Amino acid sequence: NAGVTQTPKFQVLKTGQSMTLQCAQDMNHNSMYWYRQDPGMGLRLIYYSASEGTTDKGEVPNGYNVSRLNKREFSLRLESAAPSQTSVYFCASSELGRPRTGELFFGEGSRLTVL
Amino acid sequence: GQQLNQSPQSMFIQEGEDVSMNCTSSSIFNTWLWYKQDPGEGPVLLIALYKAGELTSNGRLTAQFGITRKDSFLNISASIPSDVGIYFCAGPRDYGGSQGNLIFGKGTKLSVKP
Repeated sequence: NAGVTQTPKFQVLKTGQSMTLQCAQDMNHNSMYWYRQDPGMGLRLIYYSASEGTTDKGEVPNGYNVSRLNKREFSLRLESAAPSQTSVYFCASSELGRPRTGELFFGEGSRLTVL
Repeated sequence: GQQLNQSPQSMFIQEGEDVSMNCTSSSIFNTWLWYKQDPGEGPVLLIALYKAGELTSNGRLTAQFGITRKDSFLNISASIPSDVGIYFCAGPRDYGGSQGNLIFGKGTKLSVKP
């Protein structure tokens, strides 16, 4: 059982380039999330999808777009990368109230460097 | 806005020692969550607290939901080397939308004493 799978695991971009981070979960969860983690900053929510067909902004959505492709997949796109988007990106999924409210299942992260 | 303040920021442990850390907020939270992140991995939920005053254990870990709803504590007894990592407290944002829309503290980093 793979859980939450993210690709790529590492990526280096030049300023202005675009790229898409892919995320897939095999737990049949309804909700999916994209967080970013910067040194000493904890995790901050970028976008989330409470259920298939819906997406909403989180705390730091500027510069990103998302697509909930189907129940399993949730992608994050950087249209024009900036050095401030250098970070580790985590995809997560959850199921309402089960097994525990607030329990997110995280992927291993995608480490993005923008030069 | 809502913020979670964790202390200490970092600490060194020696095997067998007990460890304590806490998380405070100026806002009330109805749920407190403690996650652990190992190097190169995503965070994993350790303990969830849903009621003021609640004390919950998970093996050698014990967490408490403060009676004021503005703080929570995590204790690790008889630490072992695999306890190293970053511990985050988290709570749901107050405007809802999704139970996974969480605010995270900046973390307490546990390392082994040199």
